Parts: sequence; structure tokens; C-alpha cells
Amino acid sequence: DGGITQSPKYLFRKEGQNVTLSCEQNLNHDAMYWYRQDPGQGLRLIYYSQIVNDFQKGDIAEGYSVSREKKESFPLTVTSAQKNPTAFYLCASSRAPGNTGELFFGEGSRLTVL
Amino acid sequence: AQSVSQHNHHVILSEAASLELGCNYSYGGTVNLFWYVQYPGQHLQLLLKYFSGDPLVKGIKGFEAEFIKSKFSFNLRKPSVQWSDTAEYFCAVMSNQAGTALIFGKGTTLSVSS
Repeated sequence: DGGITQSPKYLFRKEGQNVTLSCEQNLNHDAMYWYRQDPGQGLRLIYYSQIVNDFQKGDIAEGYSVSREKKESFPLTVTSAQKNPTAFYLCASSRAPGNTGELFFGEGSRLTVL
Repeated sequence: AQSVSQHNHHVILSEAASLELGCNYSYGGTVNLFWYVQYPGQHLQLLLKYFSGDPLVKGIKGFEAEFIKSKFSFNLRKPSVQWSDTAEYFCAVMSNQAGTALIFGKGTTLSVSS
């Protein structure tokens, strides 16, 4: 089945540790995105990538980093510089160029920093 | 910069009541507009979208939305809600320029009682 796989689903880490969240898609989509979802805040864009080896900062990129070495993979690292990392993280993908904006989402990763 | 405003944070309805969720966006150019839905325990999925043409668009499960350009609005409606419509609803907007990403509103939680 085609889709987006995020792992792990749940993750606990100590404060000060970097954490990498995995996102893989087999939809052959060019564009991939990372959003953060907090209660009452909706989805906020962290980073996005339209093509391999290129990515752009979203509205809340500080304290996060990404890479896009392969079309199907877009891992997100939550660094120790992120002041409030506990959140639900969603990865998505869409066709591009000619991006219609229709995003397909993974099931999310819930990160809890202790 | 684009922004999306959803008027209601939490809406509570009885089954068979009519629903209207407000959404306004801020962007001077041409946009594509979306409503996404997140059912409890499930990932985000597309409810309906507007790119051009007829400003009244129909989506899945009896939902529809009307684009009113002069009001920068894209309100979601359903004539008669069901208990299974209980979910969180997100309005989203994207500029039709290449290389941009989808921006979401903060979401509206709909609770339908049977």
C-alpha cells in the first residue's frame, strides 16, 4: 500500500538530547513537509522540501533541522535548542511541480521530553 | 505572509443540526483553499478543496464549502450533522505560486451528540 510512514509513533527523551524523527513515503511525491501540532494551535509548518537536496524553513524552524538526501525520505531532527519540543509531529507529502496543495499525512510521532 | 483564521475553537451540536464553520484567510494573491478533517485516532485527510471555477465546492460525506473572494472566506457547511462527524476540522490555504507550502488555521473541534 502506498503511503507515508512515520517512526517512532511515541518517543520519550531527556532534556538536552537531540532526537530524529523518521518520515518515509512511497507515493513518488516530490514535496515533503513537517508540521507540529499543539492543542489549540493547529498545524504549524516547520520545514518543507520541494525537491531532493533542497528545503525551506517554515514558520517555526528554530531548533529543528532536516535533510532530503533521497526523494522518499525527509527526517526531522529536534535539537536541544528547541525550547519546547514536546508535541505531536506530522509529516506530509504532495506532488510537485504543479503542486495542488493536496497533502497526504502520516500518522504522526508524539515526542515527550522529560 | 499568508494566515488563516478559524472563528470557532469548539462547536457542540446535536445530530441533525446544521453546521457552518467559519474560515478567513489573509493573502492578496490567488490562493488554493482546503478543508482537512482529523477524526479521533486517525490521520488528517482531505475533506474538500477549491482551486478555481464554481465557488461552491462539494466534498466527501455531504460537506460543502463556499469561496467568497470579496470576504476572503471559505466557510464549511453541512445541512445535517451526524455523530460520526465528531472530529477536528482545519482550514488551509496555499498561494498558487510554485514553491509555497500549505498554511493551516488553528482548527475547530466539532462535537456531535446523538
